[in-house]
Amino acid sequence: ETGVTQSPTHLIKTRGQQVTLRCSSQSGHNTVSWYQQALGQGPQFIFQYYREEENGRGNFPPRFSGLQFPNYSSELNVNALELDDSALYLCASSLQGTINTEAFFGQGTRLTVV
Amino acid sequence: QKEVEQDPGPLSVPEGAIVSLNCTYSNSAFQYFMWYRQYSRKGPELLMYTYSSGNKEDGRFTAQVDKSSKYISLFIRDSQPSDSATYLCAMSDSGGSNYKLTFGKGTLLTVNP
Repeated sequence: ETGVTQSPTHLIKTRGQQVTLRCSSQSGHNTVSWYQQALGQGPQFIFQYYREEENGRGNFPPRFSGLQFPNYSSELNVNALELDDSALYLCASSLQGTINTEAFFGQGTRLTVV
Repeated sequence: QKEVEQDPGPLSVPEGAIVSLNCTYSNSAFQYFMWYRQYSRKGPELLMYTYSSGNKEDGRFTAQVDKSSKYISLFIRDSQPSDSATYLCAMSDSGGSNYKLTFGKGTLLTVNP
């Protein structure tokens, strides 16, 4: 177990709705990254949060947004859900500012948009 | 051309076989290389982490990085049925996780008893 926890584990939403996914980072880690993994694909980087600010973003539209809280936990919000948003959403925690650090993933939230 | 290419398989081997998994990449800025194992419907689990070129061994697993060829490998010795999973290579150009990981598509491995 990595100590990174995500909630909920599964979620079904209707197209056009909004969703919030949550992530608690591993103890001692200050950075949270979010990834989208479509079926049969590798994870794709959405964005990263460090010190409560966005610290880099992948090729995802603005309807994907996030937050990081003082305890380093994080939320991913997706507005105006589309069918293609159905995927496993993963968060990874890490410790920025050190060399030879690794990213540890949670178990993911499986989102189905119908 | 994708930044990271990985043969998706599937790869099926008998128990005890040596497994070789590979990725190629095009971004010469990548310095940090990782292998993750992902069981069905679970999050990726970090197996190996390597900085720059060279070999790293951990038990039955050996990771190799050849930056001159932009080629990385993971070898699994004495493979076990419990090794059956999808193996993802991942790379970063900055601090291993300070910015973003770029993943391959994953290789599905089945080890048959």
